[in-house]
Amino acid sequence: GQQLNQSPQSMFIQEGEDVSMNCTSSSIFNTWLWYKQDPGEGPVLLIALYKAGELTSNGRLTAQFGTTRKDSFLNISASIPSDVGIYFCAGLQGAAGNKLTFGGGTRVLVKP
Amino acid sequence: NAGVTQTPKFQVLKTGQSMTLQCAQDMNHNSMYWYRQDPGMGLRLIYYSASEGTTDKGEVPNGYNVSRLNKREFSLRLESAAPSQTSVYFCASSVMGQFREAQYFGPGTRLLVL
Repeated sequence: GQQLNQSPQSMFIQEGEDVSMNCTSSSIFNTWLWYKQDPGEGPVLLIALYKAGELTSNGRLTAQFGTTRKDSFLNISASIPSDVGIYFCAGLQGAAGNKLTFGGGTRVLVKP
Repeated sequence: NAGVTQTPKFQVLKTGQSMTLQCAQDMNHNSMYWYRQDPGMGLRLIYYSASEGTTDKGEVPNGYNVSRLNKREFSLRLESAAPSQTSVYFCASSVMGQFREAQYFGPGTRLLVL
């Protein structure tokens, strides 16, 4: 099936740093979604992108829908401790009821 | 609005036992989904229901059945549980419109099969 390659797999952050992660695929997607999952919880939607080239912000989060429609990027500015968690990208190819394909996740941890 | 709710939160089964995981959403969403999440594997789709009255297989449907009871409820059944089905199960729902097809997740059911 389709694969979404998410990188990095994990990263350490220090409070105040900017953080970047990305998601790439060999297939074209019409919608890109970014989720955050805290331990013991379900994924929570952060940002949805529907158009190639689209740049969307949600507070300190900014995500972009790549112009080739095969990639997406998520940036977190001025990170804070509660940014720790797992971030997942997900792509959708078709219309209603079609299946999301998820990346493997980027685990964000705090530098000791 | 409670969003997407799932019961039970935790369950331990013996191999061969059956059980049904329940999911309900109060957002008037058309589509509902069941995923399993395993370490290092991300989220994998088991079954989905594009609308009331329809269900379709996802990536990993073997060993599971689903029922879309009505627009609100979508249940997942394990007829004969196996240790390989030990996982965290998430239900999700989605809507057409402003956030078309963005899926909203429940809190999960943690299942251990011994």
